[in-house]
Amino acid sequence: QQPVQSPQAVILREGEDAVINCSSSKALYSVHWYRQKHGEAPVFLMILLKGGEQKGHEKISASFNEKKQQSSLYLTASQLSYSGTYFCGTGGLYNFNKFYFGSGTKLNVKP
Amino acid sequence: GAVVSQHPSWVICKSGTSVKIECRSLDFQATTMFWYRQFPKQSLMLMATSNEGSKATYEQGVEKDKFLINHASLTLSTLTVTSAHPEDSSFYICSARASGRREQYFGPGTRLTVT
Repeated sequence: QQPVQSPQAVILREGEDAVINCSSSKALYSVHWYRQKHGEAPVFLMILLKGGEQKGHEKISASFNEKKQQSSLYLTASQLSYSGTYFCGTGGLYNFNKFYFGSGTKLNVKP
Repeated sequence: GAVVSQHPSWVICKSGTSVKIECRSLDFQATTMFWYRQFPKQSLMLMATSNEGSKATYEQGVEKDKFLINHASLTLSTLTVTSAHPEDSSFYICSARASGRREQYFGPGTRLTVT
């Protein structure tokens, strides 16, 4: 079951903030976030395994609301290098191999 | 660390021929490898997962006889597109996951064009 992401696309000026949401109609046991630049493979950003968990790296962070079956990715003071398409991915509780990517959010950061 | 390579980066073949794509984990042992297909401006669609030494598990709608997957070792998985047709043209991406870990590390992808 593919999770749904919103918004589909975001245009930002350098230094602005953005939030990308990922929601599922089924229970979420883990949420992964990846960024893909045009013509390249996705790059792993972070994984959240527990409801209520929040984590971040530099100015990109994420939260996981298990009860609401959703996760959000926060990009603070965006940089030009943040441009790309962001995907969330969700996996099963015991079967790590059942993994599905979200619909994607295209982020364009302009100078 | 966690580097995955794919070979070739791109391939152009004629309709009816077969194409093999290799996926290697270079600095870790991949107990599970995933094969995805991505059409332009779309998300990645999981085709199949494979565990070393076992038969691959295919997603619904993916033809096993057309997309042959072999996970021969803890560092190598191959995808063979048999009797390729123009509609098989796509970006194929593999990823690898180490034992006990959930995150996947992706190869750079292979662009297949069938003429």
